[in-house]
Parts: sequence; C-alpha cells; structure tokens
Amino acid sequence: GAVVSQHPSWVICKSGTSVKIECRSLDFQATTMFWYRQFPKQSLMLMATSNEGSKATYEQGVEKDKFLINHASLTLSTLTVTSAHPEDSSFYICSAPDRGAYGYTFGSGTRLTVV
Amino acid sequence: KNEVEQSPQNLTAQEGEFITINCSYSVGISALHWLQQHPGGGIVSLFMLSSGKKKHGRLIATINIQEKHSSLHITASHPRDSAVYICALHTGNQFYFGTGTSLTVIP
Repeated sequence: GAVVSQHPSWVICKSGTSVKIECRSLDFQATTMFWYRQFPKQSLMLMATSNEGSKATYEQGVEKDKFLINHASLTLSTLTVTSAHPEDSSFYICSAPDRGAYGYTFGSGTRLTVV
Repeated sequence: KNEVEQSPQNLTAQEGEFITINCSYSVGISALHWLQQHPGGGIVSLFMLSSGKKKHGRLIATINIQEKHSSLHITASHPRDSAVYICALHTGNQFYFGTGTSLTVIP
C-alpha cells in the first residue's frame, strides 16, 4: 500500500533554532500534502495544505512565516519550524491523498520538543 | 457546538467484547474517515466512507448520511486494539476532526 515516510521521528532543539521535518511519498506521487499539529490530549489540527509547485495554503491562525512549507517535488514536502519556541513543542504529522480505499496515508509523525 | 462529536471519550473493555464508537456531525460531507492513533502517535487510516457500510477484518464502519451519524464497531476486541480512534470529516475543502475515543482493551 501507499507509504508516507516522515523524518525525523523526534527532535529536541534549542529555542531560536529552526527544525525541518520531511514527508516523502515512497510509492506514489503526492501532489498534495496536509500538515497537522497535535497538542497532548487534543485532536489533530490542520495547519496547512501544500501543493506541488505552488504556495501552501495556511489555516487561519497559522503563521506562514514561522511554519515554512515547501513542496518542490511530487514525492517530497517539508515543514520548517523557524525560530522555534517552547510553545511550538508538539506532535507534527503529515498526510497525503493516495487514491486508495482509505483515502489518505499518514506519516509516522514527528515529536518536536523545544528547550 | 463542535462540527464533530465523538462518544464515548474513554472506553475500557474486556478482551473479546464487542465495541462501538459513535460519531455525530453537523456539516455536509464528501467523506468520513475513521483513524487509529497508537500510543506512539502514528496514525493509520481504517476506513473512508461516503455511504453504507464497510468491513475490514474485525472492524466494521457504518454511516447514515441522513442522520449525520457514523459508528465504528470492533468485534472480538483484543488488547492490540487499544488506541485512540478518531472520526474525521472531509467537506471538500475543509477537515474536521473529532477529539478521539481512547480505547483500552484489558486481557
């Protein structure tokens, strides 16, 4: 079945630094990638939608200058958290439509801790 | 009012029990998804529904479009079914996620 590989699985970084998270579709072309954030004990929140070759669409309240999304190829989308602060600590996960029976394939998630 | 309401929030069952998780929604949808999130965080899509009923192994998902309601059933539950189950709606241009049902199956 369709697989989305997400790296890193976890990362700890210092305040003020930037962190890049990659989601790669391994056996299908992901023209669209959805990026979500999940705080502890809360549900998923859609942050942005990236489309290959065009600018990402951000949900209301999500700072586009802080959460940089790039979707330069049909198999790779990246989310960069710039100038990270402790309040950015969260679980970030991506998903892509895969035209299969289940509709969407999710990455394994990245747990970001900013210290 | 939330667009998606799940119940129950928490559920503990003995191994072998039949389990039902409910999802009610208030918006028009193009599809409804049931997702499974394991303690480590990874998410697996279980079902995508726009009508009727689907079955996959011990899992059954149903949807009633007129009543705006979906159920996820687990037959012969097993400890490995312990996870958070999330109902997610796709309206065509928006996603709405339920807060999840945390299921614990005790051996």
